Amino acid sequence: EVVLTQSPATLSLSPGDRATLSCRASQSVSIYLAWYQQKPGQAPRLLIYDASNRAAGIPARFRGSGSGTDFTLTISSLEPEDFAVYYCQQRDAWPPYTYTFGQGTKLEIK
Amino acid sequence: EVQLVESGGGLVQPGGSLRLSCAASGFIFSDYSMIWVRQAPGKGPEWVSYISSTSTTIYYADSVRGRFTISRDNAKNSLYLQMDSLRVEDTAVYYCVRGDDIAAIHFDYWGQGTLVTVSS
Repeated sequence: EVVLTQSPATLSLSPGDRATLSCRASQSVSIYLAWYQQKPGQAPRLLIYDASNRAAGIPARFRGSGSGTDFTLTISSLEPEDFAVYYCQQRDAWPPYTYTFGQGTKLEIK
Repeated sequence: EVQLVESGGGLVQPGGSLRLSCAASGFIFSDYSMIWVRQAPGKGPEWVSYISSTSTTIYYADSVRGRFTISRDNAKNSLYLQMDSLRVEDTAVYYCVRGDDIAAIHFDYWGQGTLVTVSS
């Protein structure tokens, strides 16, 4: 099973700052990594898929990068609504498929 | 508009059973793989089970294999999760989720979730 490790666990920043979140996989997942945003009381929302593609309706300030084992989610200039928990996720390359999530990074207002 | 609406959650004793349902609308349900994901209180999401568009391929997480059964009815645009031999550690919000394309590598739409509480 692929283990996804996110860092940092908590990131304290101010609106307008640049945020950089990391996700490291225990083995290569090629580009098949996604990022989700979750706000309290809501379901996760897909932000980025295939490492760098923004999902429908996601603002351009969200950028995903990386391949293999190291991935980054960058939010160029934080808006108040961006403070939330972010998860990375992958699916095994070969069947039987399993899906795993990282433990999350909480982005909080400084 | 894609909508996924879960139902069937509630309080159940350890060893009990529960059946979750998910009503899908706004897309051609029979074209998509579907997934159940759960999230325990204060924890991150955990994948539970996957079913292909025609039900020919099914996968389970090790933590639920042999106890949970996923199924779907494409004529009714519905997804199900039969949960037997429930344990305290199965307590979570259960989300019905759509696979993002034919490969279903990622999850593009999520329901609002239904809470399952396993407690005596």
